[in-house]
Amino acid sequence: QSVLTQPPSASGTPGQRVTISCSGSYSNIGSNSVNWYRQLPGTAPKLLIYVVNQRPSGVPDRFSGSKSGTSASLAISGLQSDDEAKYFCATWDDSLKGMVFGGGTTVTVL
Amino acid sequence: QVQLVQSGAEVKKPGASVKVSCKASGYTFTSYDINWVRQATGQGLEWMGWMNPNSGNAGYAQKFQGRVTMTGNTSISTAYMEVSSLTSEDTAVYYCARGLYGGNSLAYWGRGTLVTVSS
Repeated sequence: QSVLTQPPSASGTPGQRVTISCSGSYSNIGSNSVNWYRQLPGTAPKLLIYVVNQRPSGVPDRFSGSKSGTSASLAISGLQSDDEAKYFCATWDDSLKGMVFGGGTTVTVL
Repeated sequence: QVQLVQSGAEVKKPGASVKVSCKASGYTFTSYDINWVRQATGQGLEWMGWMNPNSGNAGYAQKFQGRVTMTGNTSISTAYMEVSSLTSEDTAVYYCARGLYGGNSLAYWGRGTLVTVSS
């Protein structure tokens, strides 16, 4: 059971906008910045969004992040076939004194 | 460029220990914490803890306290993570990772080390 709650799956057609939610509590999302990771099968996760809405070099601006209260969201606009992957949210939890992850959301392009 | 190169796959028996290494290059090893994250097959990511190569200080997720030890050797820019009293539930891919500018945004990852615990 993950500390952060994500929907197990999300889908859309090419060109659509898909949003993934990440729900937590005051001790984690409510008090700290959120990062998003993307993972392809058999590979290490890749940092996609950091500090809520910043993109590392090389990540297209089709990916955006936001946070409100104890929830965060990742939006993928202009969905492409190679966006199919598993996406994880993560943040620090002040009560647990550790990093916590969501269970991951698998995005499928229909 | 920043690289984290991990040691190879391991097969261990229940009750044994395993030590995974993570050799860093492309940056000053002592300037950034190394985090360890594991992932069981088909499961999510689980943070295990962090280690500061400069001070040697480490912090562990509550679940792993007393069973995991994270250390570093600054002379060879290598971090280590040892897990003792292995059970089948420790079968997973273990990743080392470094923050983008420090902190918890893990921008650089090793390729992972598969640890299989089986009798």
